[in-house]
Amino acid sequence: AQRVTQPEKLLSVFKGAPVELKCNYSYSGSPELFWYVQYSRQRLQLLLRHISRESIKGFTADLNKGETSFHLKKPFAQEEDSAMYYCALSGLGSQGNLIFGKGTKLSVKP
Amino acid sequence: DTAVSQTPKYLVTQMGNDKSIKCEQNLGHDTMYWYKQDSKKFLKIMFSYNNKELIINETVPNRFSPKSPDKAHLNLHINSLELGDSAVYFCASSEWIRNSPLHFGNGTRLTVT
Repeated sequence: AQRVTQPEKLLSVFKGAPVELKCNYSYSGSPELFWYVQYSRQRLQLLLRHISRESIKGFTADLNKGETSFHLKKPFAQEEDSAMYYCALSGLGSQGNLIFGKGTKLSVKP
Repeated sequence: DTAVSQTPKYLVTQMGNDKSIKCEQNLGHDTMYWYKQDSKKFLKIMFSYNNKELIINETVPNRFSPKSPDKAHLNLHINSLELGDSAVYFCASSEWIRNSPLHFGNGTRLTVT
């Protein structure tokens, strides 16, 4: 079964500290992985996807098929990074049917 | 302004009522979705439509009926509302490509009393 697990409901760090939001997935095929972010009072929006191998707002995520993980990392957290972060998986032949994790609320303190 | 827009933003109603949420996108996408976010912030897909055709219909009570008059609109009608229907409902759209990102609306907070 397809599943996305984000083990931390809340992650609190101080400004300037490194941050890692964990995401593990369960999927038998070759998945597409995404990170979506929801800032306060804003809509959910795409942050990054693994096929792009890009860095957005200082965040990166590497797909580790051996560990079935797609952790989101940033070396120096900023207060404006405070938001709800969702890891999502798309399986082959399932356009748009994103399986979301339960989300991790990141709080960056000054 | 290109976006996914849904109305109303807030909806408070009593049990047993029937209500609708409207969604429109002007991004030229051919696929639209409804997601439900419960009180614990868990997001789960309800329906998806591609070119007005129902593609995904997850285990959702048949009190929920999506309607797509054209590929730019996907409305959600809910009959006989129940307390457990209280949630935030998100509309989204995308291209019909596997890794095409979803563009979400601002959500409709439905409260059933």
